[in-house]
Amino acid sequence: DTAVSQTPKYLVTQMGNDKSIKCEQNLGHDTMYWYKQDSKKFLKIMFSYNNKELIINETVPNRFSPKSPDKAHLNLHINSLELGDSAVYFCASSQTRGVGGYTFGSGTRLTVV
Amino acid sequence: DQQVKQNSPSLSVQEGRISILNCDYTNSMFDYFLWYKKYPAEGPTFLISISSIKDKNEDGRFTVFLNKSAKHLSLHIVPSQPGDSAVYFCAASALVQGAQKLVFGQGTRLTINP
Repeated sequence: DTAVSQTPKYLVTQMGNDKSIKCEQNLGHDTMYWYKQDSKKFLKIMFSYNNKELIINETVPNRFSPKSPDKAHLNLHINSLELGDSAVYFCASSQTRGVGGYTFGSGTRLTVV
Repeated sequence: DQQVKQNSPSLSVQEGRISILNCDYTNSMFDYFLWYKKYPAEGPTFLISISSIKDKNEDGRFTVFLNKSAKHLSLHIVPSQPGDSAVYFCAASALVQGAQKLVFGQGTRLTINP
């Protein structure tokens, strides 16, 4: 009974393909996030949804589109994958205000070849 | 412009000694600061936090110190244990439209030597 689960854990795909990463949380949190850990190991926010509503949308290419069918799920769809999209993508969830911060999933390592 | 910086990419400490990890930030609007621990192939896990109105928070072997005037925080682990070997991320929090936005440093890899 993983609190925040992401699938797949590894994803290898060719340039130009479209792929999706799924995320689900069973913590009852009302906010979910996508973070990207790049080659320099920085964790940077991409998107945040609060009760299915997009509230944070950092400077991310339009090829990245988040979808939140309900507050327990936040999926990430990526169109026309590029080499530079290779990274580890982390999903996370939180209550609106909690000193514990986020609960992270275990990450999806995306490799674009 | 990196708002949260961890200037030491790695740190090696003898088992039983104190580990001190440092973090600097630039934005005065941050109201919470957190430390996360990350093992390979896992997501970061929450370790300890501190409100911007405090200067110290302690939880067992872990203590976080905040110096607001210097915009600096540190994590002390004492005594250090082999299981503490991991990457430690410092994070600063601000509330943005109802969501807690965390800005992370680039991490410090801590190695505890037996």
